[in-house]
Amino acid sequence: AQSVTQLGSHVSVSEGALVLLRCNYSSSVPPYLFWYVQYPNQGLQLLLKYTSAATLVKGINGFEAEFKKSETSFHLTKPSAHMSDAAEYFCAVSPGKSDKLIFGTGTRLQVFP
Amino acid sequence: ETGVTQSPTHLIKTRGQQVTLRCSSQSGHNTVSWYQQALGQGPQFIFQYYREEENGRGNFPPRFSGLQFPNYSSELNVNALELDDSALYLCASSLSGTRSYEQYFGPGTRLTVT
Repeated sequence: AQSVTQLGSHVSVSEGALVLLRCNYSSSVPPYLFWYVQYPNQGLQLLLKYTSAATLVKGINGFEAEFKKSETSFHLTKPSAHMSDAAEYFCAVSPGKSDKLIFGTGTRLQVFP
Repeated sequence: ETGVTQSPTHLIKTRGQQVTLRCSSQSGHNTVSWYQQALGQGPQFIFQYYREEENGRGNFPPRFSGLQFPNYSSELNVNALELDDSALYLCASSLSGTRSYEQYFGPGTRLTVT
């Protein structure tokens, strides 16, 4: 069975600091991996996806993630946090064929001035 | 290009009642998936519809049912509501068969069961 684990339910950074949100996956087949962002009282917006092409994936709003098979990780990073990045972030894995997404429990990012 | 829309935005129901939530998929998409997001949790897959047929189901009881219409819009029906059904219900649309593997989410319907 596939699953994802997000380490740290809350992450706090200062504006301008590096953002690092951790995600580890478990999959018996090559996974498709995603990061979504959810702003308060809104749905989910796709930040980026890994679908077995380049291991370093660039997404919207300056975010990127690196697929590391040896570490079964897909951590999300952004070099410099902005106040508008404050939101809930979800890592998800998909078996691929069915498009079904399996989400982690989420990480709430707070950005302080 | 029209995005995914859901109605209603909010809904309050009493335990034991039935509810119907609606979703219009993004233009050109043929697949709709429904997710339940309890407070403080990640979304949980309920089921997916493709060409008006159920195409996969998560660990939800049969009182959760759905429909997909010829225009690819969809309904989620929940019978005999329980307090634990209180959650944000998210609809996502995608285009199967294209290898894009992207799902586009609507804003959700917040259901409160009292």
